[in-house]
Amino acid sequence: QKEVEQNSGPLSVPEGAIASLNCTYSDRGSQSFFWYRQYSGKSPELIMFIYSNGDKEDGRFTAQLNKASQYVSLLIRDSQPSDSATYLCAVNIGGGGNKLTFGTGTQLKVEL
Amino acid sequence: GAVVSQHPSWVICKSGTSVKIECRSLDFQATTMFWYRQFPKQSLMLMATSNEGSKATYEQGVEKDKFLINHASLTLSTLTVTSAHPEDSSFYICSARAGGDYEQYFGPGTRLTVT
Repeated sequence: QKEVEQNSGPLSVPEGAIASLNCTYSDRGSQSFFWYRQYSGKSPELIMFIYSNGDKEDGRFTAQLNKASQYVSLLIRDSQPSDSATYLCAVNIGGGGNKLTFGTGTQLKVEL
Repeated sequence: GAVVSQHPSWVICKSGTSVKIECRSLDFQATTMFWYRQFPKQSLMLMATSNEGSKATYEQGVEKDKFLINHASLTLSTLTVTSAHPEDSSFYICSARAGGDYEQYFGPGTRLTVT
């Protein structure tokens, strides 16, 4: 079982719709959770992070964390074509070094 | 804030030569820097973790004698790919973390092509 799993997609949504991206993780001791956006040929950029159960909102983005079910999701409201990218879920599994373990990413396509 | 730069952004080298990549945190002190490698259509794979003033910790399967990492100051880490081969061609990305923060900020990446 992979430590961090994401559906590779592509996930296609129409412009203006809500895009829902999901991520599950295997280690119950995971402390912190991150969503990164990566455009093709570019490096990842941090969208937001969440540490506590529940929702965290930042503009059009909402991260949701459910530690009991071991999943974290990212909602993008009013999706725009510029949101088309690969979204990487990263989890701080714990242990030494505070390393992040990345999922393989979900490709999002926002269509006009 | 939280800007990380990398240099060079791309490099082409011949097989057998060495290449050095620099990673700098521009507006914060990075106690820890990470080096990743990403092959096309794959996710990021952590190569090593470096803390300022100490030896890097390499992930399993990463040759420490081939990928030399130096974290000489709180704002600079370097990755040297020694005796590069075509299979080392990849997108190398560094990230930096400040103090007790968990989030990592990524540099723009360096695309290495070994011919």
